[in-house]
Amino acid sequence: NAGVTQTPKFQVLKTGQSMTLQCAQDMNHNSMYWYRQDPGMGLRLIYYSASEGTTDKGEVPNGYNVSRLNKREFSLRLESAAPSQTSVYFCASSGGQSYNEQFFGPGTRLTVL
Amino acid sequence: QKEVEQDPGPLSVPEGAIVSLNCTYSNSAFQYFMWYRQYSRKGPELLMYTYSSGNKEDGRFTAQVDKSSKYISLFIRDSQPSDSATYLCAMRSNNAGGTSYGKLTFGQGTILTVHP
Repeated sequence: NAGVTQTPKFQVLKTGQSMTLQCAQDMNHNSMYWYRQDPGMGLRLIYYSASEGTTDKGEVPNGYNVSRLNKREFSLRLESAAPSQTSVYFCASSGGQSYNEQFFGPGTRLTVL
Repeated sequence: QKEVEQDPGPLSVPEGAIVSLNCTYSNSAFQYFMWYRQYSRKGPELLMYTYSSGNKEDGRFTAQVDKSSKYISLFIRDSQPSDSATYLCAMRSNNAGGTSYGKLTFGQGTILTVHP
């Protein structure tokens, strides 16, 4: 039981490059989330998916797109990376008996030069 | 103004001290209140949660919610160096059946260091 896994763990991009962050969960959760974490800003929701087949914008969606590929997988895409997107990205999932507990992945540290 | 405000600290205390961490919020629809703990370079993990107003105790940790003041607290008794982490408050409304069900709003996080 791996929980929530994220790839890659680290990434350095140049301005304008694109990339996709991958996330998978094996807890049969309905809901999945993408956050970014910056110093002094806490966790800010980028996009979420309440269930397979649905996605919604969070607090800071500009510059990102998402795909809920199936119940297990939720990917985040940066089409044209900008230095302002330098951050730590966390994927999370919730569901089952309680939506109060979100299970987080280990994070992806992204630097955009 | 952010929906949830949390003093980012940092907070540095000696081992054995009582620690008080706090958040205020503006959205009266919030019904569930959570505290997450995040160790350095790790993802957050749920520490405890409370529904509506009241207190909840779990070992050395006590969570308090005062909905009339829109204020929540986490107390840590007999703090240990292993408690050194970032503590994030989080909350959500009871939107059962809606597409936002389960969506949490987080505070900025408070960095706590407990030194021996």
